[in-house]
Amino acid sequence: QQQVKQSPQSLIVQKGGIPIINCAYENTAFDYFPWYQQFPGKGPALLIAIRPDVSEKKEGRFTISFNKSAKQFSLHIMDSQPGDSATYFCAAGAGNQFYFGTGTSLTVIP
Amino acid sequence: ETGVTQSPTHLIKTRGQQVTLRCSSQSGHNTVSWYQQALGQGPQFIFQYYREEENGRGNFPPRFSGLQFPNYSSELNVNALELDDSALYLCASSLAVSRGAGEAFFGQGTRLTVV
Repeated sequence: QQQVKQSPQSLIVQKGGIPIINCAYENTAFDYFPWYQQFPGKGPALLIAIRPDVSEKKEGRFTISFNKSAKQFSLHIMDSQPGDSATYFCAAGAGNQFYFGTGTSLTVIP
Repeated sequence: ETGVTQSPTHLIKTRGQQVTLRCSSQSGHNTVSWYQQALGQGPQFIFQYYREEENGRGNFPPRFSGLQFPNYSSELNVNALELDDSALYLCASSLAVSRGAGEAFFGQGTRLTVV
């Protein structure tokens, strides 16, 4: 059973566009929601994270929107650049472990 | 760079063999978690170590075992390797906090290939 559902599986945008990646969860015990960026052959790098008492968090070009009642959260990348081309994972955590989504492969075309 | 280092970076083993993977956690962190990431998938939680004891385990068989040392570094041991164990093994370092889950930083991973 997939604890965190992520969509879309892949995404292609033009440079400067705003890709949006969505995730949904069921377990209301989750209390921490990070997003990770992963390049081929590398480990996931923490981008930004949010707790359920906040509806939005912005760090640089990355914004998380969080809807507690709908149990959904999303990542927006402002002014996307070719260097943002990577796989993005959402995750949800409670206590000692994270459950990851299946990933979104983002391609930003110059 | 996260300060989390894993060794080796790549490893090829034969089915039935045993393997040990190592992880040095980020300075100041006292908790290490291990994840398995199959190709094209998200990481799957194997287990976590806190204060040298296992602090939670995912859906992995007992042939996956681990250790944490007093300096908070950790080992993942896998016995009786199977072809399906081929994956990227990730170590995540974090500081245990009372308020649930918190920031976790991953190493670059160890790519294990079982032939």
